[in-house]
Amino acid sequence: GAVVSQHPSRVICKSGTSVKIECRSLDFQATTMFWYRQFPKQSLMLMATSNEGSKATYEQGVEKDKFLINHASLTLSTLTVTSAHPEDSSFYICSASASSNTEAFFGQGTRLTVV
Amino acid sequence: QQQVKQSPQSLIVQKGGIPIINCAYENTAFDYFPWYQQFPGKGPALLIAIRPDVSEKKEGRFTISFNKSAKQFSLHIMDSQPGDSATYFCAASRAGGSYIPTFGRGTSLIVHP
Repeated sequence: GAVVSQHPSRVICKSGTSVKIECRSLDFQATTMFWYRQFPKQSLMLMATSNEGSKATYEQGVEKDKFLINHASLTLSTLTVTSAHPEDSSFYICSASASSNTEAFFGQGTRLTVV
Repeated sequence: QQQVKQSPQSLIVQKGGIPIINCAYENTAFDYFPWYQQFPGKGPALLIAIRPDVSEKKEGRFTISFNKSAKQFSLHIMDSQPGDSATYFCAASRAGGSYIPTFGRGTSLIVHP
């Protein structure tokens, strides 16, 4: 099956700093990538959808200046949490699909802790 | 508005038991229904999926039953094992537009040895 790699798996940062999370499709070209946030014991919340070479589409209530998404190539999308605060601590998960008509595969997630 | 309702929230069974997780959806435009398995600290992994043109799909010990008229679908895990202990999410999406899944709230399954 298709492999999506997310890095880092865990990160701890100080309040006020920025953190970048990478999502790579290893064996296919991902025209579309998705970023989710998951709180403990809760479901996945879609944050944004990004298509290669264009601006990301953010879900209602997600601050685009807070969560910067870049999808510069067909195998890499990044999520940057800017000026992180403790309330941004969460589990962030990406998924990637080869096209809008194919299944999306999930990365292993990134546990962000802001102290 | 929760478009995919999942129950129960948690489930405990003995090894060999058959846990059943149920989901109901509202949007009749949904035409792809995957189930995901998630272990603690990991991303969800696709377990099995069904389209509405069939009423049942089986892959190994996992079976999806689908009732289009009732807009319900369920996951059965046959001969459950402790290694099946995980959180299971049902989802629904429109294959014709994009595969962005709408997730259920999840079911935490514990299988005791």
